Amino acid sequence: EVQLLESGGDLVQPGGSLRLSCAASGFTFTSYAMNWVRQAPGKGLEWVSGISGSGGSTYYADSVKGRFTISRDNFKNTLSLQMNSLRADDTAVYYCAKAGGYYYDSSGYHSTEYFQRWGQGTLVTVSS
Amino acid sequence: DIVMTQSPDSLAVSLGERATINCKSSQSVLHISNNKNSLAWYQQKPRQPPKLLIYWASTRESGVPDRFSGAGSGTDFTLTISSLQAEDVAVYYCQQYFSAPYTFGQGTKLEMK
Repeated sequence: EVQLLESGGDLVQPGGSLRLSCAASGFTFTSYAMNWVRQAPGKGLEWVSGISGSGGSTYYADSVKGRFTISRDNFKNTLSLQMNSLRADDTAVYYCAKAGGYYYDSSGYHSTEYFQRWGQGTLVTVSS
Repeated sequence: DIVMTQSPDSLAVSLGERATINCKSSQSVLHISNNKNSLAWYQQKPRQPPKLLIYWASTRESGVPDRFSGAGSGTDFTLTISSLQAEDVAVYYCQQYFSAPYTFGQGTKLEMK
């Protein structure tokens, strides 16, 4: 059974830093891209960042580019999100999400970034 | 960025009746290479993470009841619940995964009438 367990959420002051982690189990971690998706209180879903199975490719929403860094440890089956220069509008529940896998066409393999499994989320609150 | 717009924002349907949610993308999400639309649907109940229902616009995720179906191509998509059950009360989101940033619709709140 796929399990994703986030940790690291906390109350932090504006301008501060925080590191989120996601422990994955129940699947071959290196075979799937992984993502972070957030949800501000009472709001909708916002994709934050993604990383390929090998870790060689990373992607960010414009709202976090230059402030957040996604990484993965394929030996420890762990996904991380380093968040710096935090702002009040970063306040949200952060979900770790497993992508759907890869498909193949004439130009090679491509990750399918629908989010097949989600963790329970970890709350980040940015406030003074 | 591809903008996803859902309609309606909220919907009230009677038990056993059909519910239809629409999703429109600002540009086509159809991959020419595999002739598939990069469009997914999720269900989110209060205090729970989202759950994947449909991907490739019409492929039901394993374990999802067959009363849920997805249709559409290019820029216009629908999620249909053929016979609403009490446990289907939730917020539903569409999402495009054609290109980063992977964007969601604003959500449609489905309630029981």
